[in-house]
Amino acid sequence: DADVTQTPRNRITKTGKRIMLECSQTKGHDRMYWYRQDPGLGLRLIYYSFDVKDINKGEISDGYSVSRQAQAKFSLSLESAIPNQTALYFCATSDGTVGNTIYFGEGSWLTVV
Amino acid sequence: AQKVTQAQTEISVVEKEDVTLDCVYETRDTTYYLFWYKQPPSGELVFLIRRNSFDEQNEISGRYSWNFQKSTSSFNFTITASQVVDSAVYFCALEHGSSNTGKLIFGQGTTLQVKP
Repeated sequence: DADVTQTPRNRITKTGKRIMLECSQTKGHDRMYWYRQDPGLGLRLIYYSFDVKDINKGEISDGYSVSRQAQAKFSLSLESAIPNQTALYFCATSDGTVGNTIYFGEGSWLTVV
Repeated sequence: AQKVTQAQTEISVVEKEDVTLDCVYETRDTTYYLFWYKQPPSGELVFLIRRNSFDEQNEISGRYSWNFQKSTSSFNFTITASQVVDSAVYFCALEHGSSNTGKLIFGQGTTLQVKP
């Protein structure tokens, strides 16, 4: 099983609908992240959380919200989806220690029509 | 400003050729970390290497090698004797802010196509 699991892996939704992407990890890491990938732009940070009580905005948080339900779970919500939120979304985790590696999930393809 | 530039959008080589993917970064931090990730057609991100700013030694891992030069703010990635399975998008990334935040600045990515 993957250490970082994202659900759903693929979703098509309509403009104006609320959509939630879920992420769970089995690595026991405190830090979790949501990134968005657009063609030609690489990945950009949406939100990050250093522990259950800590939530921070990233580079492109407008139109998104997050919830850290537990150490292992970090969900991303689009309250009212719009077509330019069509992208590949990645969840990631790290333990924050020196030399740590950042582990990414397999990605969630979201299409807003 | 923190920035990562991968000027090569797409590269196409024939199998067994060597290929170098360029990465240039900008940061005012004295301590920072640089990464390379591979994204195969299936979409997942595969970690390749992490290098801190105080370690300028080049690294070799099988057919992969990395050349880190602080003087030119570059962290280039070379694949020797490329194979079709190396076809993927490759991302260079910079960890910015204080060390070990996990907040990465990504380059735009370089799409590598290795033809048989």
